[in-house]
Amino acid sequence: QKEVEQNSGPLSVPEGAIASLNCTYSDRVSQSFFWYRQYSGKSPELIMSIYSNGDKEDGRFTAQLNKASQYVSLLIRDSQPSDSATYLCAVSWGTSYGKLTFGQGTILTVHP
Amino acid sequence: EAGVTQFPSHSVIEKGQTVTLRCDPISGHDNLYWYRRVMGKEIKFLLHFVKESKQDESGMPNNRFLAERTGGTYSTLKVQPAELEDSGVYFCASSRLDRGNEKLFFGSGTQLSVL
Repeated sequence: QKEVEQNSGPLSVPEGAIASLNCTYSDRVSQSFFWYRQYSGKSPELIMSIYSNGDKEDGRFTAQLNKASQYVSLLIRDSQPSDSATYLCAVSWGTSYGKLTFGQGTILTVHP
Repeated sequence: EAGVTQFPSHSVIEKGQTVTLRCDPISGHDNLYWYRRVMGKEIKFLLHFVKESKQDESGMPNNRFLAERTGGTYSTLKVQPAELEDSGVYFCASSRLDRGNEKLFFGSGTQLSVL
């Protein structure tokens, strides 16, 4: 059983809409949760990190964490075509924050 | 500030050959990680260096893979002999400290194709 699961999509939303990306993780002592964005052929880039239950907002991005439900999500408001990319959910367990377990990624397409 | 640099960007080799991938982390970053993405699968952790020491190599697939970080600067990942299933994208990442609010920077990866 995979430890981090994402819907691979593709998820298609119109420009200006809210894109909602979801991720579930297995029941372990989880420490930190991350969302990376990866454009085709480029390096994964960290866009959000969240460590405690609740919401965390940064510009058009909001990360939501619910540890009881083992669920983390990313909302992108006012989606733009430049947001079209693969979004990777990653979780770190234990004491090494850089040792990440990734989901397969969700492909997001924002169409004009 | 230069980012994490990996080369080559692409490598095509035949089964049984040896390939060496190189990663130059951001200057001053003691933590260096190797990850791999096999086609159709998720990115998976291979190992973690703190300076020149291997902190965690639990993700290394087998003894055909050898990672080094002499002097605690750049790192190499050698695959010898390469097998078909080694094909994939190998990512390197670095960070200054290994803690939650420390951003992990990834390189663009090396696309390895074993024929």
